[in-house]
Formats: sequence, C-alpha cells, structure tokens
Amino acid sequence: GAVVSQHPSWVICKSGTSVKIECRSLDFQATTMFWYRQFPKQSLMLMATSNEGSKATYEQGVEKDKFLINHASLTLSTLTVTSAHPEDSSFYICSAPLAGGLTDTQYFGPGTRLTVL
Amino acid sequence: QKEVEQNSGPLSVPEGAIASLNCTYSDRGSQSFFWYRQYSGKSPELIMFIYSNGDKEDGRFTAQLNKASQYVSLLIRDSQPSDSATYLCAVNRAGYSTLTFGKGTMLLVSP
Repeated sequence: GAVVSQHPSWVICKSGTSVKIECRSLDFQATTMFWYRQFPKQSLMLMATSNEGSKATYEQGVEKDKFLINHASLTLSTLTVTSAHPEDSSFYICSAPLAGGLTDTQYFGPGTRLTVL
Repeated sequence: QKEVEQNSGPLSVPEGAIASLNCTYSDRGSQSFFWYRQYSGKSPELIMFIYSNGDKEDGRFTAQLNKASQYVSLLIRDSQPSDSATYLCAVNRAGYSTLTFGKGTMLLVSP
C-alpha cells in the first residue's frame, strides 16, 4: 500500500500559540488530501479537504480561519491550528487518496496528537 | 443525509471463531466500500475494499457486498486477540474520493 507520513506525531503547546502539522504522501502524488479530527472514543470527523494549488474546502462548523490548510505541492499538505485552546486538543489525522482502477483508496497518516495546555 | 450505519458493539468472540461485522448505507449512488481497522490511539489502516456484488477474500478477511440490500459486511476467520480493534466501514460515490464513515464496531477477541 501507499505510505502517508505526518509530523509531528505528538505536540504539546501553550494556549494561544499556533501549531503546524505536516502531511506527506511518500510514494505517490496527491492533488487532494483530507484532514480529520478524532476525540477520545469518538468517530473520525472530516474537517476539510485540501486541494493542491487552490483553497481548501471546509466542512460545516469548522472554522477556516482557525484551521489553516495549505497544499503547496503534490506531496505535502499542512494544517495550522492557530491560537490553539485546550478544546482543540485532539488526534489529527490526514489521509491521501491513491488513484487506482475504479476507485481511489484513501491511506491514512499515523496521526498527530495535540495537547493544548 | 448520506449515512453509514454500524453497530457500535462491542462484538465479543472467542479466539479462533469467525467474527462478522456489518454495515448498511443509505446512498444508492455509493460505488466503493472500504473496511479499515483502527487500534486504540492509532490511525485507521486499510483492510480491504470491494465494489462488486458478492464476496472478496483476502487472507482471513472476506468482504461481502449486496448493493440491492445496501449492505456490506466483513468476516474475519480464525479471529485472534490481535484482531481486537474498532472496524470502520466507509463508502464513496463514483468519481469522488471523499469517504463517508460509519462510527465503527469494536471487536473484542478473547483468548
């Protein structure tokens, strides 16, 4: 299968600071990447779709000014949590679709655990 | 609202048994169906996908799809304690990469 990496794997920051999370497709190119958030014992929640060379598409209820997404190349998307607060503490996971035949298959990065103090 | 429904479980099976995980979906435009496994504290990993009616086997895993009934299932043969995880069903529409996920079924395999 395809490999998607994320960096950092975990981060602790103070309230009010910004945190950048990187998502890379290592062995394939991805014009689209997806960002999810998952709170403990809850299901995955799609936050936004990252589009290479254009603006991201945000899901309803997700603040685009708080969660800045940049998809600068075909292998890299970044999510910046601006002015983070304790309620932003969560598990952030990206995924990238690998095109193949009839369908694209999404592969997930290992996730980034964010703790805001 | 396009939905994917799964029983949250937990589904408990003894080691060596067959575990059967079920998923229903509401969007008849759904084209492809995916099963992911997620261990606690980890990200989802792909088990397999299916897009044609019938069965698809990969090792101990068999995915079954019935588009008329809008039903997809995953069978795990010879279940092992290491199979204990949450299993996520996901679907997408033709031409779209975006997945709609179910909430997942927790599977517990006891030694």
